[in-house]
Amino acid sequence: DVRLVQSGAEVKKPGESLRIACKTSGFTFTTYWIGWVRQLPGKGPEWMGRIYPDDSDTKYTPSFQGQVTISADKSINTAYLQWTSLQASDTALYYCVRLVNWVDFWGQGTPVIVSA
Amino acid sequence: EIVMTQSPATLSVSPGERATLSCRASENIDTNFAWYQQKPGQAPRLLFYSAVSRATSIPARFSASGSGTEFTLIISSLQSEDFAVYYCQQYNEWPQTFGQGTKVEIK
Repeated sequence: DVRLVQSGAEVKKPGESLRIACKTSGFTFTTYWIGWVRQLPGKGPEWMGRIYPDDSDTKYTPSFQGQVTISADKSINTAYLQWTSLQASDTALYYCVRLVNWVDFWGQGTPVIVSA
Repeated sequence: EIVMTQSPATLSVSPGERATLSCRASENIDTNFAWYQQKPGQAPRLLFYSAVSRATSIPARFSASGSGTEFTLIISSLQSEDFAVYYCQQYNEWPQTFGQGTKVEIK
């Protein structure tokens, strides 16, 4: 079975760094794009970016370019989303997803709360 | 960036009734289009891709149509488990974009 299992909820202070993880199984990690999607409370999902783990080709949505870093470790079939300096506005639910053009599988989501 | 506009924002329907949801793209996306269902506390779930192709395990009471800029999702006879938020998405170009959602609630 295809599985995307994300790391647990995070509570951080403004200015702190963070990396959240998406551990995948049940498919060949290096042959699919893996994406990250943000969802603010009561809002629709927003694309942040995607990565092709085989060669680490990465594409970002303009709104998130320079704000986050997406990476992947193909030795452990895991994708990452990283911030160097969190802001309160980064408080949201973050999903990793598998793309086959459309999104066919979603992780369970990682809540991130940024508060002083 | 392609803007996806869903209507209505909220749809109040009685169990057993038909629900019709719409999504409009700001430019032609052919059939590079998907529908998702999201229940409270859960990740979205794929319903349809390529505008009209039903995903695995999606009941036949769900149907979808459209191409170009206008798309429709129909739930023929609402069951209790169908009350949720529905999102449309275009994947014709990057960045892929979602609509703001239609909440289907119990009347």
